[in-house]
Amino acid sequence: AQSVTQLGSHVSVSEGALVLLRCNYSSSVPPYLFWYVQYPNQGLQLLLKYTSAATLVKGINGFEAEFKKSETSFHLTKPSAHMSDAAEYFCAVSDQPGNTGKLIFGQGTTLQVKP
Amino acid sequence: GAGVSQSPSNKVTEKGKDVELRCDPISGHTALYWYRQSLGQGLEFLIYFQGNSAPDKSGLPSDRFSAERTGGSVSTLTIQRTQQEDSAVYLCASSLVRTGVETQYFGPGTRLLVL
Repeated sequence: AQSVTQLGSHVSVSEGALVLLRCNYSSSVPPYLFWYVQYPNQGLQLLLKYTSAATLVKGINGFEAEFKKSETSFHLTKPSAHMSDAAEYFCAVSDQPGNTGKLIFGQGTTLQVKP
Repeated sequence: GAGVSQSPSNKVTEKGKDVELRCDPISGHTALYWYRQSLGQGLEFLIYFQGNSAPDKSGLPSDRFSAERTGGSVSTLTIQRTQQEDSAVYLCASSLVRTGVETQYFGPGTRLLVL
């Protein structure tokens, strides 16, 4: 069964600093991986997804993530944090192919950006 | 176009009462998912609908929970005899099934508080 682990429930960075949010997955088949962002009192918005094409995936708002099979990781990065990046971030794996496509989420990481 | 909409946005009910939560998916999306987001459990899959196929109910936590999808569009999640542990944000998502990986688009959620 697939699972996702996000290391660090809370990450704090200074504005302009590198953002690194960690995600490790467990999957018996080639995974489809996602990063979603949730702003306060809003639903989830897709940042980016990995679908077995390029291992380096670029998303919205300057975020990117690299799929590393050897490390079973899909960490999210952004070179320079902005105050508007403060939100909760979720890594997820899909139970595709062959199944319903339901998402299995990590516990989430809250990103705080300090001025 | 319009995104996924959910109603009500907030619901306060008394323990033991029944509640209905509504989801309007993106027009043309054939797949619809319900998830629950709670402090203790994070984001959990509840149920999945795809076209005319039998729904995947594997995530429903008890038989007090049920859902239906009428006409392949609007969905209603019903919780009978609500309990305090049902307090959570209920998120709906829809996707357009294609070959390959689906992106799920989330609504803003219904925040349920059971007193």
